[in-house]
Parts: sequence; C-alpha cells; structure tokens
Amino acid sequence: AQSVTQPDIHITVSEGASLELRCNYSYGATPYLFWYVQSPGQGLQLLLKYFSGDTLVQGIKGFEAEFKRSQSSFNLRKPSVHWSDAAEYFCAVALNTGGFKTIFGAGTRLFVKA
Amino acid sequence: GAVVSQHPSWVICKSGTSVKIECRSLDFQATTMFWYRQFPKQSLMLMATSNEGSKATYEQGVEKDKFLINHASLTLSTLTVTSAHPEDSSFYICSAPLDRGAGGYTFGSGTRLTVV
Repeated sequence: AQSVTQPDIHITVSEGASLELRCNYSYGATPYLFWYVQSPGQGLQLLLKYFSGDTLVQGIKGFEAEFKRSQSSFNLRKPSVHWSDAAEYFCAVALNTGGFKTIFGAGTRLFVKA
Repeated sequence: GAVVSQHPSWVICKSGTSVKIECRSLDFQATTMFWYRQFPKQSLMLMATSNEGSKATYEQGVEKDKFLINHASLTLSTLTVTSAHPEDSSFYICSAPLDRGAGGYTFGSGTRLTVV
C-alpha cells in the first residue's frame, strides 16, 4: 500500500541553524511529491513540488527539497531557520489514479528556539 | 494565484444542530474539491471528494448522512455537519486541486468546529 512517512514527530532547531525534515514514501513509481506548511489554526500552504527533472527543487520562503529515487526520499531543507518558520510541515504524495489522490504524512512539528 | 476562501473560520454550536461550512474558489473554477478533517496534532484525513454537478464520493468510514456535501457550482462546495455531537468537534479543511492535483492543492484556511 502506498504510504508517506515522516519519521520525526517534532524537531527543535535554533534560529539561524540549518534544517532538514525527512520524508520517505512507498510507491511503485515516482509519484508527484509536495511539501506543505501549516501554521496553527490555518489551512495548508504549498511550499514546493516535484514532478520530474532536476531532483533539487526550490520553493517559497527559502525552502528546498531533494528527491532521491534510490532512497525513496524527499527531504525538505532550509539553510537558516527563522522564528517565523515554526509550524507543522506535511510531506505529501499525489498518485495518478485517473485523478490525483493525495496521501499526507503525519506531519513534523518544527519548534524554533532563540 | 488560486485561492480558496473558507467560511466560517470557527463556529460553536449546540449538540443536535447543523452547521454549514462553505468553500469558494475565488479566481478559478474547481470542478472538484476535497474535504478533510484534522484532529489535534494529527495529519489530514480525507473525508470526501466533492464533484460539481454530481454526488460526492465519501471515504470509507465517513457517514454520508452526517456529513452532507453539495457542490452546487464550479466555485462553491459546502459541507454540512448534521445533528452535530461533541465528537464532531474538529478542524475541517477544504482544498481544490491545481491542474487536477498534479500541481498540488490550494487549501482553505480551515474551520474550527466546537460542538457543546
């Protein structure tokens, strides 16, 4: 069965430090991959997406993600975290089943300390 | 960019009453919308797929008669929680696919429902 795994329930980083959030997926083919961010009490905002081509994709707010087929991973990174980045981050996979059905990971809560 | 407007942002209702949540696509047409439910500190659970001009498709375990979905036009989908009970209290979010989903999704800002 298709699945998306975010192994870290929560992560704490210092402001200005680098960040990497992990995401692994289980799917027979290369899916469409996304990262979303959710601030408390808000909907989700798309950070970036990968379909094909360059495996390093750039997103909004200084985020990037790298697709590694051999590891079935799509980790999210940011070189220098800002306090405003504290939020919940969701990795998602869209499967082409006629339409696109999206499966979300469980999410990783990012805490930023001063 | 494509924006989905969701209202209300929060609502408190008494047990046994019904609550309607609206999602509108503001600058694009959405033939499909998705309704999610999110429990505290958990991921999104897809409840149903709303299709303009036809019946909604519900996920397994979601009560069709409790969560009524109507997609009356290309820009409006509504979720009505009927005869609400405290266990229906949750955060409900709608979304519309971009490029049939291949472009990701644009989400509403969510509705916090509290049933007392």
